[in-house]
Amino acid sequence: SYELTQPPSVSVSPGQTASLTCSGDKLGDKFVCWYHQRPGQSPVLLIYQDQKRPSGIPTRFSGSNSGDTATLTISETQALDEGVYYCQTWDSATDVVFGGGTKVTVL
Amino acid sequence: EVQLVESGGGLGQPGGSLRLSCAASGFIFSTSEMNWVRQTPEKGLEWVAYINRGGDNIYYADSVKGRFTISRDNAKNSLYLQMNSLRAEDTAIYYCATGTNYFDSWGQGTLVTVSS
Repeated sequence: SYELTQPPSVSVSPGQTASLTCSGDKLGDKFVCWYHQRPGQSPVLLIYQDQKRPSGIPTRFSGSNSGDTATLTISETQALDEGVYYCQTWDSATDVVFGGGTKVTVL
Repeated sequence: EVQLVESGGGLGQPGGSLRLSCAASGFIFSTSEMNWVRQTPEKGLEWVAYINRGGDNIYYADSVKGRFTISRDNAKNSLYLQMNSLRAEDTAIYYCATGTNYFDSWGQGTLVTVSS
């Protein structure tokens, strides 16, 4: 079965840039999306189709996908960006697959 | 504003059944593809089932195929998940979510616990 690998945790200072990675075999050939989940809340879609932002998502969030790695970049990180970030992909062979999530701490 | 409100969770017996509901508002439900996604601390997020607008195109994760049934009532703006032959590993928070291939909006979730 297809797997997406995310680092368990990332720490970032307020105002700095955080880069979160998501790795999978030939992931660049698929579309990737990203979600943010705060404790006790539901996931929120941040990025879809590699780099598109739903309405209401700040431009501080951007995505890219190439080779075996997709990246979510959070610019000018704020305390409210803390939480867990999940990547997700899909195709006809794998159905929907989620990564294990990266916990972001803003120190 | 899109609102999805799940209900029907609770304690289920191994081998037993539960039926989850999701009440939708704030968007045109009948034109939206819908899904159930579940989450556990151990396994993280797992897509469970998908249903298209008309309810005639349905897909399931292998882990629930043959045991769970997704359905919808567009007249009632409601999505359902009939869960039969429950197993301990079905214990999770169950979310309904809009979208195809990715999930635009999520409900707050309903907790299902399978235990004797």
